[in-house]
Amino acid sequence: QKEVEQNSGPLSVPEGAIASLNCTYSDRGSQSFFWYRQYSGKSPELIMSIYSNGDKEDGRFTAQLNKASQYVSLLIRDSQPSDSATYLCAVLTGGGNKLTFGTGTQLKVEL
Amino acid sequence: ETGVTQTPRHLVMGMTNKKSLKCEQHLGHNAMYWYKQSAKKPLELMFVYSLEERVENNSVPSRFSPECPNSSHLFLHLHTLQPEDSALYLCASSQGLGLNYEQYFGPGTRLTVT
Repeated sequence: QKEVEQNSGPLSVPEGAIASLNCTYSDRGSQSFFWYRQYSGKSPELIMSIYSNGDKEDGRFTAQLNKASQYVSLLIRDSQPSDSATYLCAVLTGGGNKLTFGTGTQLKVEL
Repeated sequence: ETGVTQTPRHLVMGMTNKKSLKCEQHLGHNAMYWYKQSAKKPLELMFVYSLEERVENNSVPSRFSPECPNSSHLFLHLHTLQPEDSALYLCASSQGLGLNYEQYFGPGTRLTVT
C-alpha cells in the first residue's frame, strides 16, 4: 500500500465549477497535511495546510481532514483555467522530519 | 532575492563529471531539504538538515553528497552519476523540524545525465 495515494487524473471540470481532489494516507499517526500546486515545469507551491479534523477555508480553497478515515481533500470553488495544474497531497510522517508526497492529481479547468 | 533560490536551473553532465547544486534560503529558516522528482513518481526526500546537522538520509546512493555550511545554504555534490539520476532536484526550507512547519520549495535544478 502506498503511503499517500491520489488519483492521477486528469480531473476535468468546467470553469466556475467546484473541483474536488482527494487523498488517502496509510500512517494513522500522521498529524500534519499539506496541499501543493505544481504547474508544468515549475516547483511545488504550498496552498493549504491542515492539522485538525474538519474544514479549513482560505479564499476559494477548502481543505478537509478526517483522521478516522485517513482522508484529506481539497475543494476549489469557482474553478478558473489558471487552476489547471497538478495538485500534490503531502503528509508529515517519521516523527515530523519526513514529508511524504502522493503522485499528484492533474486538474484541467475547461472554458 | 526572496524565498528559496537554486542554481543552476539547468545542468547537463556526463557520467564522469563532478558538479554541485546550490540552494539558498532568504526566509530565516533553520531546516533545509533536498528532494528528487522523477517523471511519474512522487517527490522523494533525499536529505534533511536542521541547524546545519544532517538528521535524515533517506537511503541515498553515495554519489550524492550533501553539505550544509550554515542554515541559509545547502549544496548537493554530484559525482559519477547514472542516467537514471536525471530528474528535477528541489530544495526546500522550513522554519523548523516537526509538526506544523510548512516547507517552501525553490524553483529546482533540472539535471540531465548523459
